[in-house]
Amino acid sequence: DTEVTQTPKHLVMGMTNKKSLKCEQHMGHRAMYWYKQKAKKPPELMFVYSYEKLSINESVPSRFSPECPNSSLLNLHLHALQPEDSALYLCASSQDTVDTYEQYFGPGTRLTVT
Amino acid sequence: QKEVEQDPGPLSVPEGAIVSLNCTYSNSAFQYFMWYRQYSRKGPELLMYTYSSGNKEDGRFTAQVDKSSKYISLFIRDSQPSDSATYLCASRHPGTYKYIFGTGTRLKVLA
Repeated sequence: DTEVTQTPKHLVMGMTNKKSLKCEQHMGHRAMYWYKQKAKKPPELMFVYSYEKLSINESVPSRFSPECPNSSLLNLHLHALQPEDSALYLCASSQDTVDTYEQYFGPGTRLTVT
Repeated sequence: QKEVEQDPGPLSVPEGAIVSLNCTYSNSAFQYFMWYRQYSRKGPELLMYTYSSGNKEDGRFTAQVDKSSKYISLFIRDSQPSDSATYLCASRHPGTYKYIFGTGTRLKVLA
């Protein structure tokens, strides 16, 4: 099973709202990723967790707050977002070794900020 | 210069054609290369990955890497309308979890 699940599929939120995106995988992967993807653009890396510790933060604004409660779950907490943050947010996972290159994506959460 | 570059297309071909999708890269340290297929409004799906130079075949798909020219190709034989999607090439900075994607090529296979 190479499935990464994400909830919700769609989210509309106002600029003052607080919401969370959730991601889950049961492949035993210990590296988990958040990407942001705008229309007709490639995925843009935001955060990487390795063994539940934040490994990479690509200078993402603090209105995005990641959390990795355990090895299967990854959250992205959203607060005070801007309309330009509207995008497809993708979660991905991979094995924990730097020699492994297979990365599996979830279906994404389509976020609209009004 | 972007580390991985890809012609955005769109590329339109008739059903049954052989499709060639290409990327170039600039970082000599890249060793593994991945191809993803992304349908509209869906997450990318890993199609194939290949190491260093050479070919790798999987069904109708063949991935090819030429390290001397820093050129990556994906060939699709007997293309089908269901192959219509955006194809992304990618690599990863060695020793890190940082994946670098090309911009993607939109492919349309016409019935």
